[in-house]
Amino acid sequence: NAGVTQTPKFHILKIGQSMTLQCTQDMNHNYMYWYRQDPGMGLKLIYYSVGAGITDKGEVPNGYNVSRSTTEDFPLRLELAAPSQTSVYFCASSYLLETQYFGPGTRLLVL
Amino acid sequence: AQTVTQSQPEMSVQEAETVTLSCTYDTSESDYYLFWYKQPPSRQMILVIRQEAYKQQNATENRFSVNFQKAAKSFSLKISDSQLGDAAMYFCAYKAAGNKLTFGGGTRVLVKP
Repeated sequence: NAGVTQTPKFHILKIGQSMTLQCTQDMNHNYMYWYRQDPGMGLKLIYYSVGAGITDKGEVPNGYNVSRSTTEDFPLRLELAAPSQTSVYFCASSYLLETQYFGPGTRLLVL
Repeated sequence: AQTVTQSQPEMSVQEAETVTLSCTYDTSESDYYLFWYKQPPSRQMILVIRQEAYKQQNATENRFSVNFQKAAKSFSLKISDSQLGDAAMYFCAYKAAGNKLTFGGGTRVLVKP
């Protein structure tokens, strides 16, 4: 199993542009999550999903959108990127209430 | 709201020695999980150890062990026989119903050869 994979690893985005961060898991987990980690800080939950077709907001959802059309994929969409969205983004998955497994992260720079 | 506090921004340990990282949390729940995650320079989050609140026995994973004090809402991590590869940021995390993780601010561990 590859576990949780994320693409791209690194990206530079111009202010006002949009992009989608990809996340895929092959563990058949029903729960998936998106976090952001700002420098020197812990992770903050952006959005999460409890299954295909079901998503909900986390702690810091503004400026982001998600969709969950399949069990495996949980893309994160940034619309009209702002410098405040410069961060490292982590996707994670879990089975029911079990431990969350994290992807390697995507480092995003908005200039 | 649940909060997780790690009061030590940085800890230094000599190789082969032991270091203990502190974590306290605030919750009104009785059933929850606690975790320690390691984040090396690669930035990937790696699960080190987890503890279920209903279990009185402290969790251990090889050189890593926890001291879980439920009444005091304390969850410290002990790294024994420290190795150079243990150098990383360590995050304490809490999870109750709803499956949302709340993270502490992290403790950087430096290992001196």
